[in-house]
Amino acid sequence: AQTVTQSQPEMSVQEAETVTLSCTYDTSESDYYLFWYKQPPSRQMILVIRQEAYKQQNATENRFSVNFQKAAKSFSLKISDSQLGDAAMYFCAYRTSINGGTASKLTFGTGTRLQVTL
Amino acid sequence: KAGVTQTPRYLIKTRGQQVTLSCSPISGHRSVSWYQQTPGQGLQFLFEYFSETQRNKGNFPGRFSGRQFSNSRSEMNVSTLELGDSALYLCASSASPGVGNYGYTFGSGTRLTVV
Repeated sequence: AQTVTQSQPEMSVQEAETVTLSCTYDTSESDYYLFWYKQPPSRQMILVIRQEAYKQQNATENRFSVNFQKAAKSFSLKISDSQLGDAAMYFCAYRTSINGGTASKLTFGTGTRLQVTL
Repeated sequence: KAGVTQTPRYLIKTRGQQVTLSCSPISGHRSVSWYQQTPGQGLQFLFEYFSETQRNKGNFPGRFSGRQFSNSRSEMNVSTLELGDSALYLCASSASPGVGNYGYTFGSGTRLTVV
């Protein structure tokens, strides 16, 4: 079974600075998808960024980028120019690329609470 | 385009009662998944429905059940509530199962408190 580990329960960053959230995962599959979700106090899980394992290029979405190291099974999220609105819980998630059966479920890490200070 | 709508937002129930939660997916989405979020266990997959059929089920007791209607709206039911069922229940929709790297769109959840 796949597992996702986020070893940083809490992180803090000053406004306008850069912060990196860590995520490692364990899988025997070669093709899969990885996601970062943000959960603000409103509770809604919001997709921040996604990465296909077969792509070597790291995904980027505006101020958010990932460092995907497939061999190391590492998928970290970098937030540049942090803003107060970035404060939230961040979850790393895994999904196999295989369709059907139990494949479509997301496996989540335990989350990292990000605080943004002035 | 309206997002995923979950009702009610908050619910308080007594042990032993049953509860029904509702999820309306994004218009045109036919797949609905349910997750339970607790401080102790984190986010855990409950089940997934597509075209009114349950495709996947997580490792939860039979007290947890669900269904999907022809308009893709989904309900989940928990019978004989236990204190440990207190959680945030999140619903996620996608156009179809195995939508791949597009991820899922989540609702804001239903906060269930069992007393």
